[in-house]
Amino acid sequence: AQRVTQPEKLLSVFKGAPVELKCNYSYSGSPELFWYVQYSRQRLQLLLRHISRESIKGFTADLNKGETSFHLKKPFAQEEDSAMYYCALSDRRSNFGNEKLTFGTGTRLTIIP
Amino acid sequence: SAVISQKPSRDICQRGTSLTIQCQVDSQVTMMFWYRQQPGQSLTLIATANQGSEATYESGFVIDKFPISRPNLTFSTLTVSNMSPEDSSIYLCSVFRGSYEQYFGPGTRLTVT
Repeated sequence: AQRVTQPEKLLSVFKGAPVELKCNYSYSGSPELFWYVQYSRQRLQLLLRHISRESIKGFTADLNKGETSFHLKKPFAQEEDSAMYYCALSDRRSNFGNEKLTFGTGTRLTIIP
Repeated sequence: SAVISQKPSRDICQRGTSLTIQCQVDSQVTMMFWYRQQPGQSLTLIATANQGSEATYESGFVIDKFPISRPNLTFSTLTVSNMSPEDSSIYLCSVFRGSYEQYFGPGTRLTVT
C-alpha cells in the first residue's frame, strides 16, 4: 500500500531564509507526486506536481526515486508562504481520470517576519 | 479550473442523526471524490462516485454508514448516517480535471455532540 510521510507537523522559518518541507513516500509502482497548499480560510489547492517540473511561487520539488523523497524547497521565504502544506501521491488506475490521492499528514509552515 | 460548492458549510448535529452533504460542480465531470479530514489528521479518501454506478468505497468505509448519490455529472451527495462524535470532521468533495489536477470544494465542517 502506498504511504506518504511528512515528518514535521510544524515548521517555523524566518522571512528571507530558505525553506524545505520534507516528504517521503512508499509506493510499489511509478509514483505521481504533488504538493497541495491550504492558506488560511481558503480551500485546498494544487501547488505543484512533479511531472511538470515547474516552479510555482518560487517553490520547487524534485522527485528522488533513490531516496523516495519529494521535498518542497524555496530559497527565500516570504510571509505569504505561511500555510498548511500537504504532500500527496496518486494511485494511477487503468482508467485515466480515476486517480485517487493519498495524503501526508501535512506541515504547517509559519514564516516569522 | 473547476468551481465546486458544498452545502452546508458547517453543522452541529446530535448523536444518532444523519446529515447529507451536497457537492455541486460548475461543469460535467466523470469522477467525484469524497474525503474526510479528522481533527489534526490528514485527508482520507472515503469513496469515489461515478455517475450511473455505485460508489467505490475505500477500506474502512461502508455504504451503510456513508451512502453516496451521484444523480448526474455535476452533483453528488454524501450522507453521514447514525452519527457519533467520532464522525466530527471536515468532509470535502473533489473532482479530477485536466492533467492530474484535483480541485477541492471548501469543505463541510461537521461537529457531532
